[in-house]
Amino acid sequence: DVKVTQSSRYLVKRTGEKVFLECVQDMDHENMFWYRQDPGLGLRLIYFSYDVKMKEKGDIPEGYSVSREKKERFSLILESASTNQTSMYLCASSPPRTGINTGELFFGEGSRLTVL
Amino acid sequence: AQSVSQHNHHVILSEAASLELGCNYSYGGTVNLFWYVQYPGQHLQLLLKYFSGDPLVKGIKGFEAEFIKSKFSFNLRKPSVQWSDTAEYFCAVRRNDMRFGAGTRLTVKP
Repeated sequence: DVKVTQSSRYLVKRTGEKVFLECVQDMDHENMFWYRQDPGLGLRLIYFSYDVKMKEKGDIPEGYSVSREKKERFSLILESASTNQTSMYLCASSPPRTGINTGELFFGEGSRLTVL
Repeated sequence: AQSVSQHNHHVILSEAASLELGCNYSYGGTVNLFWYVQYPGQHLQLLLKYFSGDPLVKGIKGFEAEFIKSKFSFNLRKPSVQWSDTAEYFCAVRRNDMRFGAGTRLTVKP
């Protein structure tokens, strides 16, 4: 089974703090994603990485950055946390959408971040 | 702008009622289509997917979806819902990245 592990299930941070959310996958997937999930808004894409050191902005990249130094690890960084970044953050991985691969995403359990 | 629209935010049904959840997308070109489900307190799970072939796809737990290319739609259906289907349902579209709709919360009354 594919396993996507997010390092922290629950975090509480203060405004202005730097926050690191870590995600590790064990299936050698090229593609990794970070989303935030908010009630009524669904999942909104923050960043997408299609390979090591490669990244693309999603719909809401402002206030976030990412790092993909190794294939299995994709980190989301909040340089200076703000209260409007309080949310559930979901990491996912997948093979690329090519050939017989449908590009199905496999999700981690999520990291619930509260910024005070 | 590319988008995924789910028509209903909250649907309430009684057990044994039939279900149809709408999903439309605005992407051009070839896409793969998905429905995910999130049960209370759990992570997202794949219900079903479409990438080619028969536009009527069957998934787990008796769910099915029909891809209508001319309407850019991928509606989810189930003939008879159960209380255990209470969950949030997300439609998703993939070209390079994957974009999701806002979700539909389904409540099934026993």
